[in-house]
Amino acid sequence: DAGITQSPRHKVTETGTPVTLRCHQTENHRYMYWYRQDPGHGLRLIHYSYGVKDTDKGEVSDGYSVSRSKTEDFLLTLESATSSQTSVYFCAIRSAGGESRNEQYFGPGTRLTVT
Amino acid sequence: TQLLEQSPQFLSIQEGENLTVYCNSSSVFSSLQWYRQEPGEGPVLLVTVVTGGEVKKLKRLTFQFGDARKDSSLHITAAQPGDTGLYLCAGWNYGGATNKLIFGTGTLLAVQP
Repeated sequence: DAGITQSPRHKVTETGTPVTLRCHQTENHRYMYWYRQDPGHGLRLIHYSYGVKDTDKGEVSDGYSVSRSKTEDFLLTLESATSSQTSVYFCAIRSAGGESRNEQYFGPGTRLTVT
Repeated sequence: TQLLEQSPQFLSIQEGENLTVYCNSSSVFSSLQWYRQEPGEGPVLLVTVVTGGEVKKLKRLTFQFGDARKDSSLHITAAQPGDTGLYLCAGWNYGGATNKLIFGTGTLLAVQP
């Protein structure tokens, strides 16, 4: 358990509405990640952060934005939700142990349904 | 683009049987990790292998990292229903950007009682 919580755990929203998912960690990790997981596509990286106010895009970043104003919180925002963004979203942290010993730990996930 | 191919994609076996899951790539990784994910939950890290040729054991699970650091395997002895889940391998890029974890395609295991 790497002290990662996600909120909300479940959300149903309508197309076109903004949605923000929150990831909170308690162990002061520098790196945080947002993934989505869909059948047939596996885990895909949306955005990641390497420090406060330092973020970068992943492979499926279109339609998503992120913010990190504090070390412990990493927010994922869908500015205008679409049905294609229905998915399970996972937050993760990277514990630093040197280049060959980095390990990633995941939160419990948020199931988002866009109707 | 670095890819991690897992095989088999699906595996349904009876309790007590043995099985092996493979994770292969044409790229070198500085380390490989194995995760198990149960329905409705996030992936849980099982093990990290770092050294080429390394073998790690976790109770009935044996993990091996290939000598060339391009492949790995997971062997389960005497599988139990509690082993059911999605198994994912994942590797950190070697020699390049180490900010992103490359995930395998996944192996869905069902162990029937």
